[in-house]
Amino acid sequence: QVQLQESGPGLVKPSETLSLTCNVSGASISSYYWGWIRQPPGKGLEWIGYIHYSGSTNYNPSLKSRVTISVDTSKTQFSLKVTSVTAADTAVYYCARGGRGCSTSSCSLDYWGQGTLVTVSS
Amino acid sequence: DIQMTQSPSTLSASVGDRVTITCRASQSISKWLAWYQQKPGKAPKLLIYKASGLESGVPSRFSGSGSDTEFTLTISSLQPDDFATYYCQHYNSYWTFGQGTKVEIK
Repeated sequence: QVQLQESGPGLVKPSETLSLTCNVSGASISSYYWGWIRQPPGKGLEWIGYIHYSGSTNYNPSLKSRVTISVDTSKTQFSLKVTSVTAADTAVYYCARGGRGCSTSSCSLDYWGQGTLVTVSS
Repeated sequence: DIQMTQSPSTLSASVGDRVTITCRASQSISKWLAWYQQKPGKAPKLLIYKASGLESGVPSRFSGSGSDTEFTLTISSLQPDDFATYYCQHYNSYWTFGQGTKVEIK
């Protein structure tokens, strides 16, 4: 059974770096696409970025300058870093697997983590 | 950038109703569209992939149709468990979500 679990600090200070990890079990991370999506309180879903197991990445243009996603195949996990955070980055952060109905460049999201709330505040 | 626009934003319906949600893309996306259901405090759940593919385990009352710029999610007979928020997503290259449609009890 495929499971994804986000971990990381729940509180980050303004101007600092938000760092989250998604631990994957029940599936090889050396396949598929692995990505991050966030949801501000009471709002809709916003795509942050994703990484293909080959190492290629794609980021939301509105966040690209501040975001890095990496994968550690030896630890079956992938990570998110968002630099220079502000209150606008407060959200529930989800990790997800892109593995269904794939095009040549991506897939729909068939497995999701439960989400972790990150609050940006001093 | 491709924009995804859902309508309506909120929908009031009764158990047993046929419900239709529309998602429009600002340019052609072929069939690279997914639909998700999200309940409060939970992660989204994949319902439909590639515009009309029913995800394993999803009840057959859910169906998707469309291509290019106009897509539809239909619930043939609304059940109590279906009151939730639904999102469409374009996923070829970029992952772009619609703003969501909340299905409420009438």
